[in-house]
Amino acid sequence: AQTVTQSQPEMSVQEAETVTLSCTYDTSENNYYLFWYKQPPSRQMILVIRQEAYKQQNATENRFSVNFQKAAKSFSLKISDSQLGDTAMYFCAFMTPPNFGNEKLTFGTGTRLTIIP
Amino acid sequence: NAGVTQTPKFQVLKTGQSMTLQCAQDMNHEYMSWYRQDPGMGLRLIHYSVGAGITDQGEVPNGYNVSRSTTEDFPLRLLSAAPSQTSVYFCASSYGRPNTEAFFGQGTRLTVV
Repeated sequence: AQTVTQSQPEMSVQEAETVTLSCTYDTSENNYYLFWYKQPPSRQMILVIRQEAYKQQNATENRFSVNFQKAAKSFSLKISDSQLGDTAMYFCAFMTPPNFGNEKLTFGTGTRLTIIP
Repeated sequence: NAGVTQTPKFQVLKTGQSMTLQCAQDMNHEYMSWYRQDPGMGLRLIHYSVGAGITDQGEVPNGYNVSRSTTEDFPLRLLSAAPSQTSVYFCASSYGRPNTEAFFGQGTRLTVV
């Protein structure tokens, strides 16, 4: 079974600074997908960024980027120029390639990020 | 676009009562799933479905039933509520293709007293 570990339960950073959230995972699969989801106080789950394991290049989405280290089974999220709206719980998630679809995501326990004005 | 709609948003049950959490999606997604979110434990998969008429168990299925009679709807039934089922429940849906996004509903906060 796959496991996802987020070792930082809480983090805080000043507005406009850069912050990195850590995620490690364990799997025997060679091909898989990794995700970061954001959950603001509204409770809505929002996809931030995704990475396909067979792609060498790290994914980026505007101020969000990942550092994917396949051999180390590490998948960290970097948020640049942090904004107050980035305050949320962040979940790292793992999915093996479907035989089917996205129905079986494995989540980490989350990191609560607070951006300080 | 409604996306994934869950009802109710909040519910309080007494131990032993039964109820159904509703989930509907209007995106013609084949795949739907239910998760529960508990403090310090992230989201855990309860049940999932890869199409109408097909369901399977996830990581924590005990005490819950599901059915998928239509593509749009995927209700979650609590047979006899227990305090351990106090949680926030999320329904999610996606297309049956790799590298597609899972869309989540707004969640249902359930308290069993």
